[in-house]
Amino acid sequence: AQRVTQPEKLLSVFKGAPVELKCNYSYSGSPELFWYVQYSRQRLQLLLRHISRESIKGFTADLNKGETSFHLKKPFAQEEDSAMYYCALSGSGNTGKLIFGQGTTLQVKP
Amino acid sequence: GAVVSQHPSWVICKSGTSVKIECRSLDFQATTMFWYRQFPKQSLMLMATSNEGSKATYEQGVEKDKFLINHASLTLSTLTVTSAHPEDSSFYICSAGLKYVYGYTFGSGTRLTVV
Repeated sequence: AQRVTQPEKLLSVFKGAPVELKCNYSYSGSPELFWYVQYSRQRLQLLLRHISRESIKGFTADLNKGETSFHLKKPFAQEEDSAMYYCALSGSGNTGKLIFGQGTTLQVKP
Repeated sequence: GAVVSQHPSWVICKSGTSVKIECRSLDFQATTMFWYRQFPKQSLMLMATSNEGSKATYEQGVEKDKFLINHASLTLSTLTVTSAHPEDSSFYICSAGLKYVYGYTFGSGTRLTVV
């Protein structure tokens, strides 16, 4: 079954601390993995996707097929990073359908 | 670019009535749109895939007769919640994009409250 698991509902760190938001997935084929972010009172927006292998706002994520993980990392958290983060999976076939994890609230304290 | 507008942002309706939610792609043509539902403090669950000019594809467990989807043009998809009941109260979100292009853009969502 296709599934995305984000084990932490809430992650609270101090400003300047490293951040790692965990994401594990279950999919039999070759999935595309994404991270979406939702800031307070704003719509969901794409943060990054594994095929781009890019760094956005200092965040990076590497797809580890062996561990079926796509953890989101940032070396030094900023207060403006506080938001809800969703890991999502799109299966093969390029359908565009997304399966979302439960989401992790990142709280960066001053 | 790739802006998706969703309307209304919130709606309150009486039990038994129908409510229509619109999802528009403002600066691009969307051959495919997706409708999601989000319960409080829960994740987004895909309800259906809306394809321009053809019938929508519903996910397992979603009642197609209750959640009518129409995608009559390349810029507009509508979700109609028919004979709404309190259990239909939720946050509905659409996303739109072009086939073979990832990173679909999301609308701002519609908060439906059925009383």
